[in-house]
Amino acid sequence: GAVVSQHPSWVICKSGTSVKIECRSLDFQATTMFWYRQFPKQSLMLMATSNEGSKATYEQGVEKDKFLINHASLTLSTLTVTSAHPEDSSFYICSARDASGRRPRNTEAFFGQGTRLTVV
Amino acid sequence: QKEVEQNSGPLSVPEGAIASLNCTYSDRGSQSFFWYRQYSGKSPELIMSIYSNGDKEDGRFTAQLNKASQYVSLLIRDSQPSDSATYLCAVRADFGNEKLTFGTGTRLTIIP
Repeated sequence: GAVVSQHPSWVICKSGTSVKIECRSLDFQATTMFWYRQFPKQSLMLMATSNEGSKATYEQGVEKDKFLINHASLTLSTLTVTSAHPEDSSFYICSARDASGRRPRNTEAFFGQGTRLTVV
Repeated sequence: QKEVEQNSGPLSVPEGAIASLNCTYSDRGSQSFFWYRQYSGKSPELIMSIYSNGDKEDGRFTAQLNKASQYVSLLIRDSQPSDSATYLCAVRADFGNEKLTFGTGTRLTIIP
């Protein structure tokens, strides 16, 4: 079953509003989670690395004031798209890695189900 | 610029045949290599991981790694229509760095 849960799976919002996406690790603690964005027919592009208890690390070209990341607990990271515009419409995916050692090394990163954001 | 390159396809393979997917990477320091399968509208699902040169087999899937050539491949034997998806190659720089760099993906279609 899923070990990383992402919510909501899809959302439609009006231009100028903000949208919050949640990413939860269900049976392990994740000190680090990752947020990706994927446009149609393109690959996953890392937006930022979410670090529990500290500021997120953003990739070059990603506006940290527009994409707010909060990783307040070891099982939850949130991405808030502020003042969303139609060009922010995309598939947003989070991932987390179970570094506890309980799982075999080759299980690596688990992805959430993704969130389809449409800004109208 | 660390890059991971894949042939975008589409790659069409008859049912029951072997599908061969290729990936090259530019960072010689890369240590971990992954193949993900992504169905349309869904998030990626890990298929294989490989860390050492050579072949690694898991069921119908075989990953091949050649660090000298900076090349990693995925073979799918006895291809099934359900294997039709986009396959993403991902590379991680080193064991202390958890960031994955993804290729653009190869779209695979299995023809019944």
